[in-house]
Amino acid sequence: ELKVEQNPLFLSMQEGKNYTIYCNYSTTSDRLYWYRQDPGKSLESLFVLLSNGAVKQEGRLMASLDTKARLSTLHITAAVHDLSATYFCAVETSGSRLTFGEGTQLTVNP
Amino acid sequence: DVKVTQSSRYLVKRTGEKVFLECVQDMDHENMFWYRQDPGLGLRLIYFSYDVKMKEKGDIPEGYSVSREKKERFSLILESASTNQTSMYLCASSEGGVKGYIQYFGAGTRLSVL
Repeated sequence: ELKVEQNPLFLSMQEGKNYTIYCNYSTTSDRLYWYRQDPGKSLESLFVLLSNGAVKQEGRLMASLDTKARLSTLHITAAVHDLSATYFCAVETSGSRLTFGEGTQLTVNP
Repeated sequence: DVKVTQSSRYLVKRTGEKVFLECVQDMDHENMFWYRQDPGLGLRLIYFSYDVKMKEKGDIPEGYSVSREKKERFSLILESASTNQTSMYLCASSEGGVKGYIQYFGAGTRLSVL
């Protein structure tokens, strides 16, 4: 059974600081997704990582994938309040199925 | 823009009732999915479908069934609702074929079973 684990589950940080969210998974896959969810809203796609070594960046967020280590990271640079949300990673397995991590609830404080 | 529409944002049902959750997508996507979201558990896949009249069990199908009579519509059915099915239900769709296609999500239906 595929397990996807995010770390940390809760993250409170100050504006302007940097931090990294980790996503570990237990089986071979070379496709990983990051989603964002604002309170009371649905999930919005942030990044699609399709191969080992893939790196994607959008604004203050950068995601990377190491398939050998079965690890993806979401790095936050100089956090701002607007980044407060819950972030999910999801690993793709057979047949376009996604298995999601538990989610990381990020709060950015002024 | 892809639009995935779920028929209700909030539903309150009684134990034992049959419940229908409807989902419609407007992008001609082959794949459609139903998840439930619970705090601390992330999203868990209930059922999915690759094509009309096709369905596959996900990780937690017990107590649920689905129907896909038309390509754009995917229904989740709770045959006899129970309190442990109180949850947020999310529908998603994606293109078929090659992997790596983004799943687009609806706004969700928050179901309370009393």
